[in-house]
Amino acid sequence: EVQLVQSRAEVKKPGESLKISCKGSGYSFDTYWIGWVRQMPGKGLEWMGIVNPRDSESKYSPSFRGQVTISVDKSIKTAYLHWSGLKASDTAIYYCARRAYRSGSVYFDYWGQGALVTVSS
Amino acid sequence: QSALSQPPSASGSPGQSVTISCTGTRNDIGGYSYVHWYQQHPGKAPRLIIYDVTERPSGVTDRFSGSGSGNTASLTISRLQADDEADYYCSSYAGSNNMKIFGGGTKLTVL
Repeated sequence: EVQLVQSRAEVKKPGESLKISCKGSGYSFDTYWIGWVRQMPGKGLEWMGIVNPRDSESKYSPSFRGQVTISVDKSIKTAYLHWSGLKASDTAIYYCARRAYRSGSVYFDYWGQGALVTVSS
Repeated sequence: QSALSQPPSASGSPGQSVTISCTGTRNDIGGYSYVHWYQQHPGKAPRLIIYDVTERPSGVTDRFSGSGSGNTASLTISRLQADDEADYYCSSYAGSNNMKIFGGGTKLTVL
């Protein structure tokens, strides 16, 4: 069974750093890119970026480039989303998801349970 | 890149059908047959229910169907049930950097 298990909820202060994780199981981890999606309170989904577990290549939405870092450690089948200096506006639920590929089409076929990040002084 | 346009809300009674639209441009929906739909119940993670405009993943009921024409895609839910009450998001390929964009979401209420 394909599973993506994310790290627990976090409460941080503005300016602090944070790395949240997403561990895959039940499939060949380095065959599928992993993506991250933000959902701010009461709002919709936003595509942040993706990472290739095979070679750690990452791609970002222009809205998130330079704001976060997406990385992966394929030896432990885990992807990460990292902030070096959190802002209150980073308060949101962050989902990781497996990116499926079919004939040029890509979509998220399995999702993690989400990790709530709260940034407050 | 702008989000795809969805109606903020939709509703229907049990047993009825409802259709949710998703409008983009020739740079996303109109340029590629890569429109996907996700269902999200309150407090839960999104779930893929339609991919590539019309395809259903294994295990998804055939009450969900997708269609598309030009710059618009649609999700139809037939024989509405109470459990269909959720938020629905469309998504499309945005062309550059393998980026995807989402619609703003439609909150479906089953009356």
